[in-house]
Amino acid sequence: NAGVTQTPKFRVLKTGQSMTLLCAQDMNHEYMYWYRQDPGMGLRLIHYSVGEGTTAKGEVPDGYNVSRLKKQNFLLGLESAAPSQTSVYFCASSYWDSTEAFFGQGTRLTVV
Amino acid sequence: DAKTTQPPSMDCAEGRAANLPCNHSTISGNEYVYWYRQIHSQGPQYIIHGLKNNETNEMASLIITEDRKSSTLILPHATLRDTAVYYCIVSGVGNQFYFGTGTSLTVIP
Repeated sequence: NAGVTQTPKFRVLKTGQSMTLLCAQDMNHEYMYWYRQDPGMGLRLIHYSVGEGTTAKGEVPDGYNVSRLKKQNFLLGLESAAPSQTSVYFCASSYWDSTEAFFGQGTRLTVV
Repeated sequence: DAKTTQPPSMDCAEGRAANLPCNHSTISGNEYVYWYRQIHSQGPQYIIHGLKNNETNEMASLIITEDRKSSTLILPHATLRDTAVYYCIVSGVGNQFYFGTGTSLTVIP
């Protein structure tokens, strides 16, 4: 099992460019999440999904969109990247409510 | 918002027990207490979780007070590899994990 895999691991974008971060899990988990982590801070929830075809907003959703067309994938999109979106992005998944979450190794995004 | 309060940093001697406290005074009846840790810049790693009773696994023990307003994570024999940021999280319906800034634990040789 690969667990939770994030693609890409590193990316540099210019302001205004768009990109999509891919999160894939092979554990048949219902719940998936996207977080961002800025230096010296904890993780902040961007968006999450409680099942295929569903999405919901977290703490800091502005500037991001998500889609969960397939159960195993959760995509995070930046339509027009801004320097404030420079961060490390983590994806996670969990089977159901009150179960442990598994995290990917992160995507380091720099917007210049 | 994170519903927990943790000390920003702690030190522990190698081989001794590390006791990490967490206050969650506003916890509701259906919310669990979870502990995760993050080593360097890796993805957070699950440690343990509980609802009411104390829990133990191969990594740690979780002690939850009777009123459930606070808990303590115990690493029985800390090693240098346990140096990490430890997050205490309270989560219920929807399983949304809101992380605070955690406790930075340094294990000293």
